[in-house]
Amino acid sequence: DVKVTQSSRYLVKRTGEKVFLECVQDMDHENMFWYRQDPGLGLRLIYFSYDVKMKEKGDIPEGYSVSREKKERFSLILESASTNQTSMYLCASRRGGSYEQYFGPGTRLTVT
Amino acid sequence: GIQVEQSPPDLILQEGANSTLRCNFSDSVNNLQWFHQNPWGQLINLFYIPSGTKQNGRLSATTVATERYSLLYISSSQTTDSGVYFCAVERGAQKLVFGQGTRLTINP
Repeated sequence: DVKVTQSSRYLVKRTGEKVFLECVQDMDHENMFWYRQDPGLGLRLIYFSYDVKMKEKGDIPEGYSVSREKKERFSLILESASTNQTSMYLCASRRGGSYEQYFGPGTRLTVT
Repeated sequence: GIQVEQSPPDLILQEGANSTLRCNFSDSVNNLQWFHQNPWGQLINLFYIPSGTKQNGRLSATTVATERYSLLYISSSQTTDSGVYFCAVERGAQKLVFGQGTRLTINP
């Protein structure tokens, strides 16, 4: 079974803090994704990566950056957290050439 | 970009009932998936179904690609079926576009 793990289930940070969300997958997938989920808006893509050190902006990249130094790990960085970044963050991975995408359990981030 | 609309937004049923969830999309796609998000937030793949019909136990899905819609059927609902059901589509570029979801509540 594919396993995607995220570093925290719940996280509370203060405005202005630098926040790191970590995602690890154990199936050697080439593609990894970060989404945020907000009520009534579904899931929106923040960034994705199709290879180590490669990244592409999704639909809502503003205020975020990412890092992929190793194939199994994809990090989402909030350089200076703001209250409008309070949300559920979901990581996913997918094998290259495959369509099926697998999700981690999510991190519920609250910025106060 | 491609638009995805799901209906109904909310559905409340008694245990044992059947339900049909709909997903409409605005352009041809090469990927369509249905996901279930459980009450703890975990998204689980249900079907990869860009066209045709598939069945898995009490769940089945049909996609009519020429008419740009997909249906998810749940028969003999159980309380564990509660949660949010998402349809997501892709048109090249490896980027899934999600609908807003249908929140299903199954009461005992």
